[in-house]
Amino acid sequence: AQKVTQAQTEISVVEKEDVTLDCVYETRDTTYYLFWYKQPPSGELVFLIRRNSFDEQNEISGRYSWNFQKSTSSFNFTITASQVVDSAVYFCALSPYNNNDMRFGAGTRLTVKP
Amino acid sequence: EADIYQTPRYLVIGTGKKITLECSQTMGHDKMYWYQQDPGMELHLIHYSYGVNSTEKGDLSSESTVSRIRTEHFPLTLESARPSHTSQYLCASSRNKYQETQYFGPGTRLLVL
Repeated sequence: AQKVTQAQTEISVVEKEDVTLDCVYETRDTTYYLFWYKQPPSGELVFLIRRNSFDEQNEISGRYSWNFQKSTSSFNFTITASQVVDSAVYFCALSPYNNNDMRFGAGTRLTVKP
Repeated sequence: EADIYQTPRYLVIGTGKKITLECSQTMGHDKMYWYQQDPGMELHLIHYSYGVNSTEKGDLSSESTVSRIRTEHFPLTLESARPSHTSQYLCASSRNKYQETQYFGPGTRLLVL
């Protein structure tokens, strides 16, 4: 069974603070994919990153960085120097290798205050 | 940037009405999905399709039905809307069966009175 846990329901920070969103997953598959999506107040889900289980290299994209640790089944997302526009609900998701069925976490609502 | 469209964006309708939520994508993606989501909450897969003439039910039981007559089009129909159907409906598509990123449309927010 696949499961994604985002233990942080809501996080509130002040602009320019760094913030890390946690994601822990469970799967019996040896090959799988992990994703992060952002859902702003307008409602659409915006794809941020996809990572396969063979690639444990951390990734940085501007103010965003992702830390994948297979040993702890975690795929955490850090926003550096947060901005008000980062306010959104962020979803972590897991997809097994042999199909596209994606399991989403419950989401973390991030509020960045000016 | 994904090219996936949903109409209407917002719909308020009375109980018992038949409604169809439209979803179209111009990327030639084989697989398409419908998710139901209460605002800011977890997404639940209700239907998916591997391609033309293929439709499958997802994890969450739904009274809705879908069809896939054309690759680019995946409409969702509720024969008789009820207040319990009030939710946001998100359509997504991906390139093929395996491990491809799903791209989402803007969603339809449905309110059934």
